[in-house]
Amino acid sequence: DTAVSQTPKYLVTQMGNDKSIKCEQNLGHDTMYWYKQDSKKFLKIMFSYNNKELIINETVPNRFSPKSPDKAHLNLHINSLELGDSAVYFCASSQTTGGNTEAFFGQGTRLTVV
Amino acid sequence: GNSVTQMEGPVTLSEEAFLTINCTYTATGYPSLFWYVQYPGEGLQLLLKATKADDKGSNKGFEATYRKETTSFHLEKGSVQVSDSAVYFCALTSNTGNQFYFGTGTSLTVIP
Repeated sequence: DTAVSQTPKYLVTQMGNDKSIKCEQNLGHDTMYWYKQDSKKFLKIMFSYNNKELIINETVPNRFSPKSPDKAHLNLHINSLELGDSAVYFCASSQTTGGNTEAFFGQGTRLTVV
Repeated sequence: GNSVTQMEGPVTLSEEAFLTINCTYTATGYPSLFWYVQYPGEGLQLLLKATKADDKGSNKGFEATYRKETTSFHLEKGSVQVSDSAVYFCALTSNTGNQFYFGTGTSLTVIP
């Protein structure tokens, strides 16, 4: 069983479109994250949710909107896609309550905006 | 604030060479420290971790010791293999545990 799964793995779309990336974790963790990795492999935190509540919202354009329907899911919706949004997006989860565990990462979604 | 600084890459080594990737951190309180590895086209995988001062994390021949006095968590391996070629990330968690802070990553290439 995949611990953190995100779909799709690849996403190619035109500028101006709206797209969503889905993420699910089956680890029972209480915290989920979205990270953006640029072409130089730099990882930037975008959002963090704890028990469905938004905890961290870094300086990210309003075009990015996370949605957590339950503790096991954290989806990322992007409006009006721009060329600069091209990157690899990683979903991750961890257990915060009861002691920190490591973060488990999905395989990533490579978004290409053309 | 919390931050992680790791040595710039890329690093190229011959097979069986000794590896050190330096990592230092700034943190409030008592963070947990991690090394993650990212193979081409894949997500990040935990390589090893240490949760308190003087702990040594180890896995697959890699080791790192949590040094509070020098705020460091350097990654070492005595003899690298071609299959170790990947990008390595040093990371820490905040006190609240709801954010992971990553270094910039160090690309390692091991040549036969």
